Amino acid sequence: GAGVSQTPSNKVTEKGKYVELRCDPISGHTALYWYRQSLGQGPEFLIYFQGTGAADDSGLPNDRFFAVRPEGSVSTLKIQRTERGDSAVYLCASSLTLLAGEGGELFFGEGSRLTVL
Amino acid sequence: GENVEQHPSTLSVQEGDSAVIKCTYSDSASNYFPWYKQELGKRPQLIIDIRSNVGEKKDQRIAVTLNKTAKHFSLHITETQPEDSAVYFCAASGGSYIPTFGRGTSLIVHP
Repeated sequence: GAGVSQTPSNKVTEKGKYVELRCDPISGHTALYWYRQSLGQGPEFLIYFQGTGAADDSGLPNDRFFAVRPEGSVSTLKIQRTERGDSAVYLCASSLTLLAGEGGELFFGEGSRLTVL
Repeated sequence: GENVEQHPSTLSVQEGDSAVIKCTYSDSASNYFPWYKQELGKRPQLIIDIRSNVGEKKDQRIAVTLNKTAKHFSLHITETQPEDSAVYFCAASGGSYIPTFGRGTSLIVHP
């Protein structure tokens, strides 16, 4: 597809369960971002990949959250021992890598809505 | 890290009026300032952006202004239409490539 694809679009789980959210970025985009968006809030940064490596994971709230991008394309966000406070829309975005020190447009997926009961 | 403040949180206008949304940022190293529009249940999409080497940019009915000295930037929408109704987010980023977003402004355009 032409855009960023995220699966599942909706996930309902019970407190304490493990969850995986998948992101398939636009082909050729080396930069990949995960954000979390709660109702009425702006996207909150979680982690940024440049290629296969996590260039910045300072936004991950605690060690229950982890993300991988083993081949530099698809990324998976993993949440262990889910809590009710993890309920949010998890947005993935990708972008081209521009010149050093310059930002560029993020292309977002539709998001994965996580509900922890 | 960067901190972006956005206001107002809600803006209600009549069709045809202008709308202005304002943002401030804290990191003087930030040099890229995009604006995203998010319709209900949809993904955020870029509508306009500005870099620190210019003070104003215009694209049809939308424009963005940047004051680097004061560390604030604004989105201006003229001749608003009902389809402009959405949540608008400002963001700022610098050498880290990681945009920090404001909390959003819900724009409601009444026909």
